Amino acid sequence: GQNIDQPTEMTATEGAIVQINCTYQTSGFNGLFWYQQHAGEAPTFLSYNVLDGLEEKGRFSSFLSRSKGYSYLLLKELQMKDSASYLCAVREGDSSYKLIFGSGTRLLVRP
Amino acid sequence: SQTIHQWPATLVQPVGSPLSLECTVEGTSNPNLYWYRQAAGRGLQLLFYSVGIGQISSEVPQNLSASRPQDRQFILSSKKLLLSDSGFYLCAWRSSGGLDTQYFGPGTRLTVL
Repeated sequence: GQNIDQPTEMTATEGAIVQINCTYQTSGFNGLFWYQQHAGEAPTFLSYNVLDGLEEKGRFSSFLSRSKGYSYLLLKELQMKDSASYLCAVREGDSSYKLIFGSGTRLLVRP
Repeated sequence: SQTIHQWPATLVQPVGSPLSLECTVEGTSNPNLYWYRQAAGRGLQLLFYSVGIGQISSEVPQNLSASRPQDRQFILSSKKLLLSDSGFYLCAWRSSGGLDTQYFGPGTRLTVL
Protein backbone atom coordinates (compact mmCIF):
# COMPACT_ATOMS: atom_id res chain seq x y z
CA GLY A 1 0.00 0.00 0.00
CA GLN A 2 0.85 3.66 -0.02
CA ASN A 3 1.35 5.56 3.20
CA ILE A 4 2.98 8.87 4.02
CA ASP A 5 3.14 9.96 7.66
CA GLN A 6 3.87 13.38 9.10
CA PRO A 7 3.14 14.88 12.50
CA THR A 8 -0.13 16.79 12.50
CA GLU A 9 1.05 19.90 14.33
CA MET A 10 4.26 21.42 15.65
CA THR A 11 5.02 24.60 17.56
CA ALA A 12 8.33 26.46 17.61
CA THR A 13 9.73 29.79 18.66
CA GLU A 14 10.82 32.61 16.40
CA GLY A 15 14.56 32.37 15.68
CA ALA A 16 14.75 28.68 16.56
CA ILE A 17 15.28 25.57 14.42
CA VAL A 18 12.54 23.03 13.71
CA GLN A 19 12.67 19.63 12.02
CA ILE A 20 9.57 18.19 10.36
CA ASN A 21 9.76 14.46 9.72
CA CYS A 22 8.14 12.41 6.99
CA THR A 23 8.12 8.63 6.62
CA TYR A 24 6.79 6.88 3.55
CA GLN A 25 5.86 3.47 2.25
CA THR A 26 5.04 3.50 -1.46
CA SER A 27 5.00 0.97 -4.26
CA GLY A 28 7.65 2.93 -6.16
CA PHE A 29 9.94 5.85 -5.47
CA ASN A 30 11.33 8.47 -7.78
CA GLY A 31 11.78 11.48 -5.57
CA LEU A 32 10.41 13.28 -2.53
CA PHE A 33 9.05 16.83 -2.49
CA TRP A 34 8.33 19.36 0.23
CA TYR A 35 5.73 22.08 -0.28
CA GLN A 36 4.72 25.00 1.92
CA GLN A 37 1.06 25.96 2.12
CA HIS A 38 -0.21 29.05 3.90
CA ALA A 39 -3.81 28.96 5.09
CA GLY A 40 -6.24 29.43 2.23
CA GLU A 41 -3.52 29.44 -0.41
CA ALA A 42 -2.05 26.98 -2.90
CA PRO A 43 1.05 24.93 -2.05
CA THR A 44 4.39 26.34 -3.18
CA PHE A 45 7.41 24.20 -3.99
CA LEU A 46 10.24 24.15 -1.43
CA SER A 47 12.58 21.27 -2.18
CA TYR A 48 13.17 18.03 -4.04
CA ASN A 49 15.32 15.03 -3.06
CA VAL A 50 15.90 12.01 -5.24
CA LEU A 51 19.27 10.83 -3.87
CA ASP A 52 20.22 10.23 -0.25
CA GLY A 53 21.61 13.17 1.63
CA LEU A 54 20.98 16.78 2.45
CA GLU A 55 19.84 19.51 0.06
CA GLU A 56 20.24 23.06 1.36
CA LYS A 57 18.39 26.13 0.15
CA GLY A 58 18.96 29.15 2.34
CA ARG A 59 17.13 28.72 5.64
CA PHE A 60 15.50 25.49 4.45
CA SER A 61 17.19 22.09 4.12
CA SER A 62 15.74 18.71 3.23
CA PHE A 63 17.20 15.28 3.94
CA LEU A 64 16.40 11.90 2.40
CA SER A 65 17.22 8.32 3.35
CA ARG A 66 15.73 5.97 0.77
CA SER A 67 16.70 2.81 2.67
CA LYS A 68 14.76 4.02 5.72
CA GLY A 69 11.86 5.59 3.80
CA TYR A 70 12.50 8.80 5.69
CA SER A 71 12.88 12.47 5.03
CA TYR A 72 12.94 15.64 7.07
CA LEU A 73 12.59 19.34 6.38
CA LEU A 74 14.78 21.57 8.53
CA LEU A 75 13.84 25.21 8.98
CA LYS A 76 16.44 27.50 10.55
CA GLU A 77 16.13 31.01 12.00
CA LEU A 78 12.37 30.67 12.11
CA GLN A 79 10.31 33.68 11.20
CA MET A 80 6.66 34.39 11.93
CA LYS A 81 5.90 34.06 8.22
CA ASP A 82 7.03 30.42 8.36
CA SER A 83 3.77 29.58 10.14
CA ALA A 84 2.13 27.35 7.54
CA SER A 85 1.44 23.74 6.66
CA TYR A 86 4.31 21.71 5.23
CA LEU A 87 3.39 18.91 2.84
CA CYS A 88 5.57 15.90 2.10
CA ALA A 89 4.93 14.19 -1.25
CA VAL A 90 6.44 11.16 -2.97
CA ARG A 91 6.66 10.67 -6.72
CA GLU A 92 5.92 7.19 -7.88
CA GLY A 93 7.94 5.59 -10.61
CA ASP A 94 5.55 5.54 -13.55
CA SER A 95 5.32 7.91 -16.49
CA SER A 96 2.45 9.90 -15.02
CA TYR A 97 4.73 11.64 -12.51
CA LYS A 98 1.97 11.40 -9.94
CA LEU A 99 2.62 12.70 -6.45
CA ILE A 100 1.23 11.09 -3.30
CA PHE A 101 0.82 13.63 -0.52
CA GLY A 102 0.91 13.27 3.22
CA SER A 103 -1.70 15.08 5.29
CA GLY A 104 0.71 17.89 6.09
CA THR A 105 2.24 19.30 9.26
CA ARG A 106 0.83 22.56 10.58
CA LEU A 107 3.66 24.64 12.03
CA LEU A 108 2.95 27.49 14.40
CA VAL A 109 5.80 29.94 15.04
CA ARG A 110 5.40 31.91 18.25
CA PRO A 111 7.22 35.14 19.22
CA SER B 1 7.78 32.34 -17.66
CA GLN B 2 4.97 29.91 -16.96
CA THR B 3 1.76 30.84 -15.19
CA ILE B 4 -1.28 28.83 -14.23
CA HIS B 5 -4.77 30.23 -13.80
CA GLN B 6 -7.90 28.82 -12.22
CA TRP B 7 -11.42 30.15 -12.12
CA PRO B 8 -13.58 30.83 -10.43
CA ALA B 9 -11.70 31.56 -7.21
CA THR B 10 -14.69 30.74 -5.03
CA LEU B 11 -18.00 29.07 -5.75
CA VAL B 12 -21.11 28.26 -3.72
CA GLN B 13 -23.42 25.74 -5.34
CA PRO B 14 -26.56 23.86 -4.25
CA VAL B 15 -26.59 20.08 -4.01
CA GLY B 16 -27.53 18.53 -7.34
CA SER B 17 -26.32 21.42 -9.47
CA PRO B 18 -23.66 21.05 -12.19
CA LEU B 19 -20.04 22.13 -11.87
CA SER B 20 -17.37 23.36 -14.24
CA LEU B 21 -13.94 24.47 -13.04
CA GLU B 22 -11.33 25.64 -15.49
CA CYS B 23 -7.54 25.62 -15.41
CA THR B 24 -5.23 27.09 -18.04
CA VAL B 25 -1.46 27.18 -18.27
CA GLU B 26 0.61 29.74 -20.14
CA GLY B 27 4.22 29.73 -21.26
CA THR B 28 4.68 26.00 -21.83
CA SER B 29 3.65 23.32 -24.30
CA ASN B 30 2.31 19.81 -23.71
CA PRO B 31 2.38 20.02 -19.93
CA ASN B 32 1.24 17.22 -17.66
CA LEU B 33 -1.87 18.49 -15.85
CA TYR B 34 -3.37 17.39 -12.55
CA TRP B 35 -6.55 18.02 -10.53
CA TYR B 36 -6.37 17.68 -6.74
CA ARG B 37 -8.95 18.16 -4.01
CA GLN B 38 -8.12 19.21 -0.47
CA ALA B 39 -10.74 18.80 2.23
CA ALA B 40 -10.53 21.15 5.22
CA GLY B 41 -7.40 20.42 7.26
CA ARG B 42 -6.41 17.50 5.08
CA GLY B 43 -3.79 16.59 2.51
CA LEU B 44 -4.15 16.67 -1.26
CA GLN B 45 -6.03 13.91 -3.01
CA LEU B 46 -5.24 13.38 -6.69
CA LEU B 47 -8.45 13.22 -8.74
CA PHE B 48 -7.33 13.22 -12.39
CA TYR B 49 -4.22 13.65 -14.45
CA SER B 50 -3.54 14.16 -18.14
CA VAL B 51 -0.40 13.68 -20.20
CA GLY B 52 -1.90 15.08 -23.42
CA ILE B 53 -5.00 16.39 -25.22
CA GLY B 54 -7.94 14.07 -24.72
CA GLN B 55 -5.96 11.78 -22.40
CA ILE B 56 -7.47 11.60 -18.92
CA SER B 57 -6.70 9.18 -16.12
CA SER B 58 -8.98 8.95 -13.10
CA GLU B 59 -7.57 8.16 -9.69
CA VAL B 60 -10.67 8.05 -7.50
CA PRO B 61 -14.15 6.81 -8.46
CA GLN B 62 -16.60 9.64 -7.90
CA ASN B 63 -19.21 11.79 -9.58
CA LEU B 64 -16.57 14.09 -11.08
CA SER B 65 -15.07 14.02 -14.56
CA ALA B 66 -12.26 15.84 -16.32
CA SER B 67 -11.53 16.88 -19.87
CA ARG B 68 -8.61 18.37 -21.75
CA PRO B 69 -10.00 19.98 -24.90
CA GLN B 70 -6.83 21.96 -25.62
CA ASP B 71 -3.15 21.48 -24.84
CA ARG B 72 -3.09 23.95 -21.96
CA GLN B 73 -6.68 23.72 -20.73
CA PHE B 74 -7.97 21.29 -18.12
CA ILE B 75 -11.59 21.23 -17.00
CA LEU B 76 -13.18 19.55 -13.97
CA SER B 77 -16.90 18.87 -14.18
CA SER B 78 -19.81 17.31 -12.41
CA LYS B 79 -23.41 16.76 -13.51
CA LYS B 80 -24.78 16.72 -9.95
CA LEU B 81 -22.84 17.97 -6.97
CA LEU B 82 -22.87 16.22 -3.59
CA LEU B 83 -22.25 17.79 -0.19
CA SER B 84 -19.03 15.78 0.01
CA ASP B 85 -17.71 17.57 -3.10
CA SER B 86 -17.01 20.67 -1.01
CA GLY B 87 -13.31 21.47 -0.78
CA PHE B 88 -10.36 23.33 -2.22
CA TYR B 89 -9.70 22.28 -5.82
CA LEU B 90 -6.18 22.71 -7.08
CA CYS B 91 -4.85 22.38 -10.59
CA ALA B 92 -1.16 21.69 -11.10
CA TRP B 93 1.17 21.43 -14.08
CA ARG B 94 4.49 19.80 -14.75
CA SER B 95 6.76 20.31 -17.72
CA SER B 96 6.62 17.15 -19.82
CA GLY B 97 10.27 17.47 -20.79
CA GLY B 98 11.73 18.93 -17.67
CA LEU B 99 11.98 18.52 -13.93
CA ASP B 100 9.53 16.49 -11.88
CA THR B 101 8.23 19.42 -9.87
CA GLN B 102 4.51 20.17 -10.01
CA TYR B 103 3.42 23.80 -9.72
CA PHE B 104 0.01 24.69 -8.42
CA GLY B 105 -2.59 27.20 -9.49
CA PRO B 106 -4.32 29.49 -6.98
CA GLY B 107 -7.20 27.05 -6.44
CA THR B 108 -10.99 27.17 -6.36
CA ARG B 109 -12.81 26.99 -3.06
CA LEU B 110 -16.09 25.13 -3.60
CA THR B 111 -18.88 25.03 -1.03
CA VAL B 112 -21.83 22.78 -1.73
CA LEU B 113 -24.93 23.60 0.33
